[in-house]
This record gives sequence, structure tokens and C-alpha cells, in this order.
Amino acid sequence: GAVVSQHPSWVICKSGTSVKIECRSLDFQATTMFWYRQFPKQSLMLMATSNEGSKATYEQGVEKDKFLINHASLTLSTLTVTSAHPEDSSFYICSATTPTGTYEQYFGPGTRLTVT
Amino acid sequence: AQSVSQHNHHVILSEAASLELGCNYSYGGTVNLFWYVQYPGQHLQLLLKYFSGDPLVKGIKGFEAEFIKSKFSFNLRKPSVQWSDTAEYFCAVNADNYGQNFVFGPGTRLSVLP
Repeated sequence: GAVVSQHPSWVICKSGTSVKIECRSLDFQATTMFWYRQFPKQSLMLMATSNEGSKATYEQGVEKDKFLINHASLTLSTLTVTSAHPEDSSFYICSATTPTGTYEQYFGPGTRLTVT
Repeated sequence: AQSVSQHNHHVILSEAASLELGCNYSYGGTVNLFWYVQYPGQHLQLLLKYFSGDPLVKGIKGFEAEFIKSKFSFNLRKPSVQWSDTAEYFCAVNADNYGQNFVFGPGTRLSVLP
């Protein structure tokens, strides 16, 4: 149980274009979803927290107009990287928590974004 | 702000050696503690977690961790590592004043030589 999927698993896009990454909880309703960014050989950095039906809460230093997060349902959150630049190339990982309140996060497999 | 440190950036062991990976956090309140593993090319998987109770917790694949509150530590151990344990290990802390957010440590890369 508690499986989280991401789509696509990898994407290459040109500078200036936008790309959308989906995060889905497959067998549970996710009250909260998180978006992380992981640079090569580094730890996960929390970008934002999203709750279904409300605006995402962004961490300091994360541009909310560049990284648009939509949590439209209890099983789907999307991250859109707008006007992508090569420095946005990274591994983006989402996670979700269940309504049980145990604070355990279930992680998706990640999406590797390469901006050329 | 909370922070999590992991003592070693890269650990290299031979098979059957014992493993201990250090994790320390900076927060004086109630915490939930986690160890995650990321095998090459795969996503994060939960190894074990501590919420309350017995400070010695056992996880999957023979891993265990001990929460020492006085030392703000949650070290991961395994008595005998295998080549398949080669991976990146992340300690994560959820503090009671931080909602459901995690703070991750920088990670420790474990390489087990066959």
C-alpha cells in the first residue's frame, strides 16, 4: 500500500518552454503532498508543500511563479516548471502523506528534468 | 531552524563488516525520526522510523536504529552488510513545530565491496 507515482520519469525540454510533472497517490488519498528537488549526489531540498484545494506553501528561496503547484484532488498534484532554464535541470521528487497523521511520507520515483 | 547532520559523506566497507551511520539533529522538542535508503536509480524507500516508545527500532533488511534523546542522535546500524546494501542513506527529521515537513540530512553514500 501507499504507492506514489510520478510522470514522466524523465523529460528533456528546451529553454523557455514549460514542463508539467504529475504526482499521484495510487492507493490512498493524500491530504498533503510535498515537492522536493535533488541535485546530483546531494540531499533532498523541500520546495513546497501542497494541500488539496488550497495554495501551496513554498519554502524560502523557491520562486512560486516559476514552480507552479496545483493540488486539484486528493490523489493528484502537479508541478509545472515555467520558462525552464538549464539551471532548472534536476531530479524532482514528490511525496505524500496519508490522513492517518503519522507524518510518514511516501515517495514517488522522481522525475529527471533536463533543460537544453 | 532545524537541521540534520550526517557524520560521513561516503563510507566504504567490505561485505560482512558492521555498519553504523551517524545522524544528529538540532531541535529540542518532540521529533519523529526516519531513515530512508535510495538504491542506485531507484526512489527513496523507508528503512525504519521512530515516533515514540522503545528507542531501539528495527527496520527492514536487518537495519536498526537507536534514538538517544540526550545526544539528539538517531544512528543507523547493521551488524553485517551485503553488497546489495550499496546505496545512499538519508536521515530525516519531522519536528512537532514543523507540521508534516521533513528536514533531510545530506546523505551518506555507502559502498560495499564484494
